Amino acid sequence: NAGVMQNPRHLVRRRGQEARLRCSPMKGHSHVYWYRQLPEEGLKFMVYLQKENIIDESGMPKERFSAEFPKEGPSILRIQQVVRGDSAAYFCASSLGDLSASPLHFGNGTRLTVT
Amino acid sequence: ILNVEQSPQSLHVQEGDSTNFTCSFPSSNFYALHWYRWETAKSPEALFVMTLNGDEKKKGRISATLNTKEGYSYLYIKGSQPEDSATYLCALTMDSNYQLIWGAGTKLIIKP
Repeated sequence: NAGVMQNPRHLVRRRGQEARLRCSPMKGHSHVYWYRQLPEEGLKFMVYLQKENIIDESGMPKERFSAEFPKEGPSILRIQQVVRGDSAAYFCASSLGDLSASPLHFGNGTRLTVT
Repeated sequence: ILNVEQSPQSLHVQEGDSTNFTCSFPSSNFYALHWYRWETAKSPEALFVMTLNGDEKKKGRISATLNTKEGYSYLYIKGSQPEDSATYLCALTMDSNYQLIWGAGTKLIIKP
């Protein structure tokens, strides 16, 4: 049973380009979460999605960032017109159900470097 | 503002010794407490999800207890090994059952 798959592992973008980060949850999981880890900091919640629905995007910047989890295919975190401050590790996690009973299963992360 | 406190911030332990550390939280509106282990250059790995006051869970040499009335959880590691070196994070679900409120972690370093 494959775990949470994220790709790419490393992504380098120049300022102004777009970054697309992909996440395939564990089989059977319909809850997907995106977290960001800035250098020397902990995990910061960005967005929570279920299939085709954004449930909570309160942790995601209003501009340049968007997320989706389509009916078919992986969840995508999209960052438009990247800036140096977007350089971070982005972790995706999935859960079987709500977090009162189910743990989060994390992917290995995508490390975004903006030059 | 809800605060999840972990102590100590870091801990050096001799290989073979046992150790424990604490996660403290506001006891109102408690839903569940999570423990994760995060090794350097890897991703967080779930250890336990605990919901009931007095709950005790065990996974190999690692165990955890939960006191929801006084608002704390202890994580114990028996006979520490070098592979136990990691940051141990606790996180809470409270009013919302999909938002986790994370502690800053306890960084554990096992000295051979």
